[in-house]
Amino acid sequence: AQSVAQPEDQVNVAEGNPLTVKCTYSVSGNPYLFWYVQYPNRGLQFLLKYITGDNLVKGSYGFEAEFNKSQTSFHLKKPSALVSDSALYFCAVRPGPSGGYQKVTFGTGTKLQVIP
Amino acid sequence: NAGVMQNPRHLVRRRGQEARLRCSPMKGHSHVYWYRQLPEEGLKFMVYLQKENIIDESGMPKERFSAEFPKEGPSILRIQQVVRGDSAAYFCASSPGEKTQYFGPGTRLLVL
Repeated sequence: AQSVAQPEDQVNVAEGNPLTVKCTYSVSGNPYLFWYVQYPNRGLQFLLKYITGDNLVKGSYGFEAEFNKSQTSFHLKKPSALVSDSALYFCAVRPGPSGGYQKVTFGTGTKLQVIP
Repeated sequence: NAGVMQNPRHLVRRRGQEARLRCSPMKGHSHVYWYRQLPEEGLKFMVYLQKENIIDESGMPKERFSAEFPKEGPSILRIQQVVRGDSAAYFCASSPGEKTQYFGPGTRLLVL
């Protein structure tokens, strides 16, 4: 069965410092990987995805993520954190193309707190 | 292009009442997904529907919960005889195919 692990419930980082939110996954075959952000009392907003191609994916709001197949990871990164980046971040995975329905599995979320 | 719309945004019900949550997918999207988010917990998949068909309901509780996505109109998640444990945020997502899902703002259900 496929799974996603976000090992940190919360990440604290000082404003202006680089941030990393970790995600590892388990899935059969090649994965599709996603990051979403959720602000308080809001729905999830799509940030970026890896489908194929370049392992470094750039997304919204200056975020990027690196697909590492050998480590089965897809960590979210940003060079310089902003206070407004404080939110809940979800990693998600599904198997790659197979000609049929494939469920997306979400991680439990990591709360990012950027300290002024 | 309007995003995924959900209504109501907040819903209060007493135990034993019915809750109806509506989701209008983005224009051109024929795939709808429902998720439940409990306080301080992650996102739990409930059901995946295409027009007039339930594709995957493996995350739906066996009783009291049902979902539909008719040919015309929004997708409906229906909870009968609500209990306090049903209090949660319910999110709908839509996609044009089976890749990126786009989420609505959610319906926050409070059962008194």
